[in-house]
Amino acid sequence: SQQGEEDPQALSIQEGENATMNCSYKTSINNLQWYRQNSGRGLVHLILIRSNEREKHSGRLRVTLDTSKKSSSLLITASRAADTASYFCATDALTDSWGKLQFGAGTQVVVTP
Amino acid sequence: DARVTQTPRDKVTEMGQEVTMRCQPILGHNTVFWYRQTMMQGLELLAYFRNRAPLDDSGMPKDRFSAEMPDATLATLKIQPSEPRDSAVYFCASGLEAGELFFGEGSRLTVL
Repeated sequence: SQQGEEDPQALSIQEGENATMNCSYKTSINNLQWYRQNSGRGLVHLILIRSNEREKHSGRLRVTLDTSKKSSSLLITASRAADTASYFCATDALTDSWGKLQFGAGTQVVVTP
Repeated sequence: DARVTQTPRDKVTEMGQEVTMRCQPILGHNTVFWYRQTMMQGLELLAYFRNRAPLDDSGMPKDRFSAEMPDATLATLKIQPSEPRDSAVYFCASGLEAGELFFGEGSRLTVL
């Protein structure tokens, strides 16, 4: 079964708007990662946040982590058409082998010009 | 430019045939993963190696699937015999322990 679940399943926005997606997970984690997947391609790592961190930034990306609620959010600011992709969260659960990543179902984001 | 290389990119085969997918992880990475992606199930973890030793293959149907790392530069995923329900995109990913994963472009398998 999947450890992480993203919400919403799909998101449609216009260029320049912000996109926010959420990830909830079930068990305690070592870290949580976000990946992007363009259609027909492999996944690309975006950002990793450790269990003792609450917020992290990378360019137009902002990730938060709330371990008490077992949830994370990914914010993409000032979105561009090139941000159109599926976004996945992945968790490294404490109960699993160190480094074993399990992925959620993903959020499909469409950014229209 | 270091990257994970997967072959074949596309494979169409008939039910009952053996399928072998290969992956060359990034040099120096000590963890290798095999994932399967379908519309219905999303990304499923099939097998996971660290330093070439299998750590977890609980997600893999044991009767027909096998995963190996004959050496540090090659990981293989074999399906024998293949079935239509095995149709999916199979991804290999490599990384360093508890860090980010680098994914290959995937092997799209269609079993008729």
